[in-house]
Amino acid sequence: GAVVSQHPSWVICKSGTSVKIECRSLDFQATTMFWYRQFPKQSLMLMATSNEGSKATYEQGVEKDKFLINHASLTLSTLTVTSAHPEDSSFYICSATRDWYEQYFGPGTRLTVT
Amino acid sequence: GENVEQHPSTLSVQEGDSAVIKCTYSDSASNYFPWYKQELGKGPQLIIDIRSNVGEKKDQRIAVTLNKTAKHFSLHITETQPEDSAVYFCAASLNYGGSQGNLIFGKGTKLSVKP
Repeated sequence: GAVVSQHPSWVICKSGTSVKIECRSLDFQATTMFWYRQFPKQSLMLMATSNEGSKATYEQGVEKDKFLINHASLTLSTLTVTSAHPEDSSFYICSATRDWYEQYFGPGTRLTVT
Repeated sequence: GENVEQHPSTLSVQEGDSAVIKCTYSDSASNYFPWYKQELGKGPQLIIDIRSNVGEKKDQRIAVTLNKTAKHFSLHITETQPEDSAVYFCAASLNYGGSQGNLIFGKGTKLSVKP
């Protein structure tokens, strides 16, 4: 149990376009979902926290207009990178929690902006 | 805010030996301490966690110990195997009354187990 999926697993897009990444909790309803960004050989950086039906809470320094988060249901959250630029290239990982402790992570999405 | 320090950054052991990774945290109010294993190109996998009301927890070859007074916790892997090779992250958070605290991660430890 506690499986989280992400789609796509990798994506290449041109500079200026938008990319949507989906995060789904497959076998549980997630009270909260989180979005992280990870640069090569570095730790995870929390971008935002989202709860179903409410606006996401963004961490300091994360542009909410650039990284749009929609938490449509208790099993689905999406991250849209708008007007992507090469510096947005990174590994994006979501996580979900079904109680107030364990976070289960998805497999990640590798975004490359050319 | 919370700050988590993790040591060592790299650790190389021989197959069958034990591996120990240590983390310290700054916020004495933190009450949840998970450990994650991340293989190359994959998301982190929760391997064990401990809450502040417990001093030690064990799951087969993996154990975690927590010293609240000293504000440090450690991951112990016994009888290491090559498939244990990965990056391990510790984290800390404050969870209370139905509120999910944000995980604050250490910088990670790259464990290499040599056959």
